[in-house]
Amino acid sequence: KAGVTQTPRYLIKTRGQQVTLSCSPISGHRSVSWYQQTPGQGLQFLFEYFSETQRNKGNFPGRFSGRQFSNSRSEMNVSTLELGDSALYLCASSLAGGYTFGSGTRLTVV
Amino acid sequence: GQQVMQIPQYQHVQEGEDFTTYCNSSTTLSNIQWYKQRPGGHPVFLIQLVKSGEVKKQKRLTFQFGEAKKNSSLHITATQTTDVGTYFCAGVGGGATNKLIFGTGTLLAVQP
Repeated sequence: KAGVTQTPRYLIKTRGQQVTLSCSPISGHRSVSWYQQTPGQGLQFLFEYFSETQRNKGNFPGRFSGRQFSNSRSEMNVSTLELGDSALYLCASSLAGGYTFGSGTRLTVV
Repeated sequence: GQQVMQIPQYQHVQEGEDFTTYCNSSTTLSNIQWYKQRPGGHPVFLIQLVKSGEVKKQKRLTFQFGEAKKNSSLHITATQTTDVGTYFCAGVGGGATNKLIFGTGTLLAVQP
């Protein structure tokens, strides 16, 4: 059974640009969560989607947004990128209980 | 908001020694999960604890959930070099939502 797939794996963007990251959950998993991981802040919760609805949101500015499609695939978007947005962005899906994480998208803002 | 702290931040042990990491939440949790992240990798789910006072074992790993459901611990007996990585606890608060808040993590280094 395929795992959680995140694309792209690596991304380099310029300050002020926007970026869209994609996540395909495990087939049958309807819950998708996004996390930002940095050395200084650890794993920070961004948002969670379930059946196309945002069920939870973390403490991030409005520049961070997301959505989930009817096939449970999810995207997150960051507009007006800042240097501090450089991080590993992780997507995780869950059926019940533990989360399965993708390999992440490493975003570097220059 | 809900905060989950772990101690220690870093632990260096000799192979064969035991290791314990502790996790404390500012709020009561409906359940707690543990994850391991190898260097350069992504978090991998280890286990979930739901009941107050619950203890679960996975080979050399022993997980406990506190009676008040606000703290948890992971103990590894006789560490091996394959145990190297960062161990995270992650708590799910009460209520209808599944917001999973990760602890600060404990980085384990094992010297052969």
